[in-house]
Amino acid sequence: DVVMTQTPPSLSVAIGQSVSISCKSSQSLVYSDGKTYLHWLLQSPGRSPKRLIYQVSNLGSGVPDRFSGTGSQKDFTLKISRVEAEDLGVYYCAQTTHFPWTFGGGTKLELK
Amino acid sequence: QVQLQQSGAELAKPGSSVKISCKASGYTFTSYAMHWIKQTTGQALEWTGYIAPGSGGTKYNEKFKGKATLTVDKSSSTAYMQLSSLTPVDTAVYYCASWGLKYWGQGVMVTVSS
Repeated sequence: DVVMTQTPPSLSVAIGQSVSISCKSSQSLVYSDGKTYLHWLLQSPGRSPKRLIYQVSNLGSGVPDRFSGTGSQKDFTLKISRVEAEDLGVYYCAQTTHFPWTFGGGTKLELK
Repeated sequence: QVQLQQSGAELAKPGSSVKISCKASGYTFTSYAMHWIKQTTGQALEWTGYIAPGSGGTKYNEKFKGKATLTVDKSSSTAYMQLSSLTPVDTAVYYCASWGLKYWGQGVMVTVSS
């Protein structure tokens, strides 16, 4: 199985601050079609996960452009510019290139 | 709009089975695979498997073979996951998700306790 390693496990931030979350996979996430199926999810408290970014860098519908995703092969980063209160929760990276699909352990974003 | 409406919380005894449902609306049910994801209290997410509603074809995470059985009822656009031989380690929230994790149900809390 592809192991997804997310760091840091938690982040304490002030509103307006920018933060980055790292996600590293144990194998390349490039599929045979040339696309990379690495996604970022946010789970707000008491809610289902919501997909923020798909295929490394594509923003989901309605997702503010404060969020951005970069990376390739096995190394990926989610950046949040100017954190707002609604951004708090647990962020997960997920790969859907290889079966079984696997998820990172999560990064909890909290208010400082 | 696309919605995945899951059934209510379950309390089950060890050794028993439960069958939870996920009713899809707002899109052609047979066009997208339905995936099931387990989330334990420690927040870890595990992909259980998926079913292709059009064909009924399934693919399971090896870890959940023999534990989870996925089925669909095309007439009601509903996907089901049956969990068998329940033990306390099966206690978790189970989500259905479709369109490649774009849409998620609200989750079903399954508690296994004597």
